[in-house]
Amino acid sequence: ILNVEQSPQSLHVQEGDSTNFTCSFPSSNFYALHWYRWETAKSPEALFVMTLNGDEKKKGRISATLNTKEGYSYLYIKGSQPEDSATYLCASRSGFQKLVFGTGTRLLVSP
Amino acid sequence: DVKVTQSSRYLVKRTGEKVFLECVQDMDHENMFWYRQDPGLGLRLIYFSYDVKMKEKGDIPEGYSVSREKKERFSLILESASTNQTSMYLCASSSPGQNSYNSPLHFGNGTRLTVT
Repeated sequence: ILNVEQSPQSLHVQEGDSTNFTCSFPSSNFYALHWYRWETAKSPEALFVMTLNGDEKKKGRISATLNTKEGYSYLYIKGSQPEDSATYLCASRSGFQKLVFGTGTRLLVSP
Repeated sequence: DVKVTQSSRYLVKRTGEKVFLECVQDMDHENMFWYRQDPGLGLRLIYFSYDVKMKEKGDIPEGYSVSREKKERFSLILESASTNQTSMYLCASSSPGQNSYNSPLHFGNGTRLTVT
């Protein structure tokens, strides 16, 4: 089973701060990288699915980049708001393996 | 919007009981998945299904079985519940196609199961 790691484990920022998290994954036989947001008491919601090296995707104040050669993806949140508080999960698929999830980064944004 | 519905939000069962967790999706997705989530661990795949009556083991299938009699419904069965199966269980579905690795998963709200 390939190892997907996320850092930091948790993060506490003030409203208006910009922040970023890292997802690292084995780069061999890479197929796809997923990002999900999981708010408390809700279901995980897909943010991005990226497949190509150099991919950059954006959704409002949230964006993500992908480097498949070195095996990492960054998720950026610009001007964090309290409603951004959630656990952010990444998951990677390589070769014929199933999607493998990291343990998540828990973000808390204080007003 | 895809809706994935899990039958129970919270469930408390006794050791040795047979437990059924039900999941229904309304978007005609062929792929359905059962994950469990435990503190300090990522979501771990228990079983998945690419079609009706089709099932494949995930990474941690021991102690579980599944049933997919209809396309929209995927059930997870704990044959004899044990305390180490206390966990958050998440059902998910995704777009058709066995190699749809770039299709996002659509999750249900989860069932928090406690086995005493």
